[in-house]
Amino acid sequence: GEDVEQSLFLSVREGDSSVINCTYTDSSSTYLYWYKQEPGAGLQLLTYIFSNMDMKQDQRLTVLLNKKDKHLSLRIADTQTGDSAIYFCAEMADDYKLSFGAGTTVTVRA
Amino acid sequence: GAGVSQSPSNKVTEKGKDVELRCDPISGHTALYWYRQSLGQGLEFLIYFQGNSAPDKSGLPSDRFSAERTGGSVSTLTIQRTQQEDSAVYLCASSPPDQVGGYTFGSGTRLTVV
Repeated sequence: GEDVEQSLFLSVREGDSSVINCTYTDSSSTYLYWYKQEPGAGLQLLTYIFSNMDMKQDQRLTVLLNKKDKHLSLRIADTQTGDSAIYFCAEMADDYKLSFGAGTTVTVRA
Repeated sequence: GAGVSQSPSNKVTEKGKDVELRCDPISGHTALYWYRQSLGQGLEFLIYFQGNSAPDKSGLPSDRFSAERTGGSVSTLTIQRTQQEDSAVYLCASSPPDQVGGYTFGSGTRLTVV
């Protein structure tokens, strides 16, 4: 079965880079996703990566995928106060269901 | 519509009552999903609809939970005889047929059972 794990909390200083890590267990994963959830809001898709890629960059966001170790990371460059949120890692296997981690709460301090 | 719409946004109900939660997906999205988010937990898959296929109900936690999708569009999640452990945020999401781009989520319904 699917199991996605993330660290629960990350504190980062404004202007520094944030790195959020995720591990997953389903080797049949086709796509891996990062979602952002701000207080009281639904989940917003940030970016996704196909399982045959090892890196994807989109403005301040960089996704790294190590398929051998089943490790996914999200790097946010120049972290801003608006980046404070919960970040969810998710994997999609052949059945099209997304399996989510518990979420990493990122707190940006001045 | 422009996004996934859920109603009500908040619902407080007494233990033992039935509740209905509604989801309006994005027009043209053939896939619709319900997830449950409990405090401090990840998202728990509940049910998945895809076009006219039989729904995947494997995530429903008990027979008190049911969902339907009428005309391939609006979906209703029904919880009968609510219990306090049903308190959570219920999130609906939809996606286009290829599903590659991930799901678009609604803002959720916060259900509190007192």
